[in-house]
Amino acid sequence: RKEVEQDPGPFNVPEGATVAFNCTYSNSASQSFFWYRQDCRKEPKLLMSVYSSGNEDGRFTAQLNRASQYISLLIRDSKLSDSATYLCVVNMASGGSYIPTFGRGTSLIVHP
Amino acid sequence: EPEVTQTPSHQVTQMGQEVILRCVPISNHLYFYWYRQILGQKVEFLVSFYNNEISEKSEIFDDQFSVERPDGSNFTLKIRSTKLEDSAMYFCARTNEAFFGQGTRLTVV
Repeated sequence: RKEVEQDPGPFNVPEGATVAFNCTYSNSASQSFFWYRQDCRKEPKLLMSVYSSGNEDGRFTAQLNRASQYISLLIRDSKLSDSATYLCVVNMASGGSYIPTFGRGTSLIVHP
Repeated sequence: EPEVTQTPSHQVTQMGQEVILRCVPISNHLYFYWYRQILGQKVEFLVSFYNNEISEKSEIFDDQFSVERPDGSNFTLKIRSTKLEDSAMYFCARTNEAFFGQGTRLTVV
């Protein structure tokens, strides 16, 4: 079973749309969850951490569901500049410590 | 100004050669990570380094890899005998919430 799974997409949406991504993880002992965005051939950039209570940063909302072992990212009022690959990252328990484990990413294309 | 600077931005090397990738943090942090990303694939954790010692390493980080902080500032990843499959982007990051450097693209020919 893959450790961190994401739908690769692409999600192709018009400007102004709302789009949601999910990410599932295999290890229930995981802690610390993050969403990053990565532009083509660039470094990943932290978008937001994901907390159990859910958190919001402007147009972005992240949720964590520990029981079902998934996290989600909602983007409202999509902008052209939101076009990127969105990476789910989970710190997975491994022999007494935690290893940052990345999903393959979900591609988002926002068109005019 | 980036939090972390990596050099070189691109390195081409012949198979079997040694390469050293460098990472320079702007501020004096103790905790660093190295990752790699093969073209078209996911980012993979290699090693974490805390206070001048390896903290965690992945299965990828075998005997041909090593990390050092030779002068207390620069942070290096050495690949002793490069293979074609080592071709990838290598990212250095500080803290596990990870301010990534811009990466070094390593091409092994």
